[in-house]
Amino acid sequence: DQQVKQNSPSLSVQEGRISILNCDYTNSMFDYFLWYKKYPAEGPTFLISISSIKDKNEDGRFTVFLNKSAKHLSLHIVPSQPGDSAVYFCAARYTGTASKLTFGTGTRLQVTL
Amino acid sequence: DADVTQTPRNRITKTGKRIMLECSQTKGHDRMYWYRQDPGLGLQLIYYSFDVKDINKGEISDGYSVSRQAQAKFSLSLESAIPNQTALYFCATSPGAQPHTQYFGPGTRLTVL
Repeated sequence: DQQVKQNSPSLSVQEGRISILNCDYTNSMFDYFLWYKKYPAEGPTFLISISSIKDKNEDGRFTVFLNKSAKHLSLHIVPSQPGDSAVYFCAARYTGTASKLTFGTGTRLQVTL
Repeated sequence: DADVTQTPRNRITKTGKRIMLECSQTKGHDRMYWYRQDPGLGLQLIYYSFDVKDINKGEISDGYSVSRQAQAKFSLSLESAIPNQTALYFCATSPGAQPHTQYFGPGTRLTVL
């Protein structure tokens, strides 16, 4: 049972425009959400996170929005750059499990010139 | 130098063989993890360790074992490899202060024939 879902396997966006990556979850006991970015032949790298007590967190060009009632979070990248082309994983932490994360299946973002 | 290293980076082996994947870190983190990634799936947790004396099973531990030889070293073993263990394997670490933010190694691509 996939508790963290990324329903779009891929996304293509023009350079300079906004990229919006979506993630849905089913378990209301998740208390922390993270986005990781992965380039080919490299491990995932932490990008941005949000606690379940907040609805928005911003870091430079990256903003994560959390809608707890809809069990939905999204990552906005503005403006998108060619170097943002990568696979993005959404992850969630179950309350009380310290550092165990549940990952989504990933969305491949391609930023075109 | 990379903070989290994995050896080997690529390995081809035969069914029934024993194989060990090694992970070393210089980040000084107490917590270490092993994940596998299959095409179209997210990262799945195999085992995790909060310190040298603490080893825990993850979501998919069957067919795997681990050893935490030191704070900096965490090895994953396949006692008798089978073809459906063909996957990309990642090691990760996290600090106790921010356990949910994990730092990944570059991955080991394992093929079991």
